[in-house]
Amino acid sequence: DAKTTQPPSMDCAEGRAANLPCNHSTISGNEYVYWYRQIHSQGPQYIIHGLKNNETNEMASLIITEDRKSSTLILPHATLRDTAVYYCIANFGNEKLTFGTGTRLTIIP
Amino acid sequence: DVKVTQSSRYLVKRTGEKVFLECVQDMDHENMFWYRQDPGLGLRLIYFSYDVKMKEKGDIPEGYSVSREKKERFSLILESASTNQTSMYLCASSFVSDFEFSGANVLTFGAGSRLTVL
Repeated sequence: DAKTTQPPSMDCAEGRAANLPCNHSTISGNEYVYWYRQIHSQGPQYIIHGLKNNETNEMASLIITEDRKSSTLILPHATLRDTAVYYCIANFGNEKLTFGTGTRLTIIP
Repeated sequence: DVKVTQSSRYLVKRTGEKVFLECVQDMDHENMFWYRQDPGLGLRLIYFSYDVKMKEKGDIPEGYSVSREKKERFSLILESASTNQTSMYLCASSFVSDFEFSGANVLTFGAGSRLTVL
């Protein structure tokens, strides 16, 4: 897996868009970018993944730069329930996912 | 919904005891995983299994073993528990075919088992 770098913590006002950056400058051409989140006292939860194109689902949007060296997870209208640790992972899609320490996102009322 | 159930939410054991952590999933997933999570270290993979009776070492297998006798059940075994194995243990499972069709590597996690070794 390519190394990913995320800020350790971020704050976002409730109702605003939360933009979580991830740097993966050594990513290979066939490595996907995955995002998971972990709400306190629970196991991590899958959010979204992408390879080259931007992706959107009911939870979030994923924007991947053209050179694929970085990406941004966007939570369009953050709520208090989005307070969690967010993990960005670059992976070939094999069985082993390596989770780093992620970004602790705090949604401020 | 896929469910991954870990048998014990909290356990307290003594040094030297043999400890079994059980995990059961109900959606016929091929892959199953055991991670441990410690403050400041993120999640670290201990072992995984991609089929019954198959196992592969993860990043930190020392001091652990696993058993997968049935597809739905994956057990983590601490042969002789030590205090440095005090941690949160997380089990997960996934479909092999998810990736083949969509590139998705979607792990479904259990709620975790917090083990304290005294």
